[in-house]
Amino acid sequence: SQTIHQWPATLVQPVGSPLSLECTVEGTSNPNLYWYRQAAGRGLQLLFYSVGIGQISSEVPQNLSASRPQDRQFILSSKKLLLSDSGFYLCAWTLGAGELFFGEGSRLTVL
Amino acid sequence: KNEVEQSPQNLTAQEGEFITINCSYSVGISALHWLQQHPGGGIVSLFMLSSGKKKHGRLIATINIQEKHSSLHITASHPRDSAVYICAVPNTGNQFYFGTGTSLTVIP
Repeated sequence: SQTIHQWPATLVQPVGSPLSLECTVEGTSNPNLYWYRQAAGRGLQLLFYSVGIGQISSEVPQNLSASRPQDRQFILSSKKLLLSDSGFYLCAWTLGAGELFFGEGSRLTVL
Repeated sequence: KNEVEQSPQNLTAQEGEFITINCSYSVGISALHWLQQHPGGGIVSLFMLSSGKKKHGRLIATINIQEKHSSLHITASHPRDSAVYICAVPNTGNQFYFGTGTSLTVIP
């Protein structure tokens, strides 16, 4: 069966520090992968999506970046965090037009 | 105008009540997704449907493609059903349009 794992679940980082969130999918091949951010009480904002290794599309210009070094691995990074980067980050995957599956989420607080 | 509109935005019900959440969309779709997010938690896929009706336990989802409308029903609601319910539809570019969510609170 397919599963998605995302970590870390919670992190508190100072302003200006780097960030790395990782997401892996098991049990499928060549998924579409997504990073979303959800601010408190708000909807889902698409940050990045990828349809294949090394193929990243950015939806929102900001100090975040994403990489897909392997077929089922999706990484969200920042070199220097801002206060406004605080939020709940969710990784998700689909196969073509199929069902949408989300990871458990990573709650980031930037102080 | 948002491509996906949900109503109501907030809903409070007594335990045992029948609940309906509505979703209207303005784009052509291949399927519509209903998602559930408990407070502070991740998002779970409840249904993906492209026609008719689907049922999982006390949850029922219906869709009318001609009217571009879907409903999520919860029968015999329970406090554990308290969550945000989100409607989503795919666009033509491997992405999704999301509704703003319906926050449901079921009171014992």
